[in-house]
Amino acid sequence: IAGITQAPTSQILAAGRRMTLRCTQDMRHNAMYWYRQDLGLGLRLIHYSNTAGTTGKGEVPDGYSVSRANTDDFPLTLASAVPSQTSVYFCANRQGAKGEQYFGPGTRLTVT
Amino acid sequence: QKEVEQDPGPLSVPEGAIVSLNCTYSNSAFQYFMWYRQYSRKGPELLMYTYSSGNKEDGRFTAQVDKSSKYISLFIRDSQPSDSATYLCAMSGFSGNTPLVFGKGTRLSVIA
Repeated sequence: IAGITQAPTSQILAAGRRMTLRCTQDMRHNAMYWYRQDLGLGLRLIHYSNTAGTTGKGEVPDGYSVSRANTDDFPLTLASAVPSQTSVYFCANRQGAKGEQYFGPGTRLTVT
Repeated sequence: QKEVEQDPGPLSVPEGAIVSLNCTYSNSAFQYFMWYRQYSRKGPELLMYTYSSGNKEDGRFTAQVDKSSKYISLFIRDSQPSDSATYLCAMSGFSGNTPLVFGKGTRLSVIA
């Protein structure tokens, strides 16, 4: 069982370019999340989806968009990357309010 | 006041020591409490999950929740160098699918 997979593992991206980070789960959990993790700032929620077809904004949504066309996939798109979006991005899932939350392995993104 | 406070450390202990990691929180609606372990350049890994007040033990790890004091702890007995990691607390309320609120993490080093 893979759990949550993320792609790519790492990426160097020129500023102004568009980039989609992929996240796929095989756990069939309803809720999925995108976080960024920066030194000294901890994990910050970007966007979330409580169920397929719905999305919501987290703490730091500006410059990012998400979609949830089905249960298993939750891509995160940077429309026009900026250097401040250099970070490690983690996808996570959770089955309901009482459920445990699991994380993917992360994507390390550098915007130059 | 932030919703969840966690001392960032770093905390350095000798091998075999008992480690105590703590978080305080302000939201009395929190019911579900989790501890994650994150090794360098890896995703957070769920270590302990507890509901409401009380203790939960798993091997060398014990999670404690004191809702009256809004205080949670993770104890590690007989600490090992392999326990060296960043430990994050997380919590959420009962209603709906509100995302977890995370502490910023405590960095632990266990010295052989």
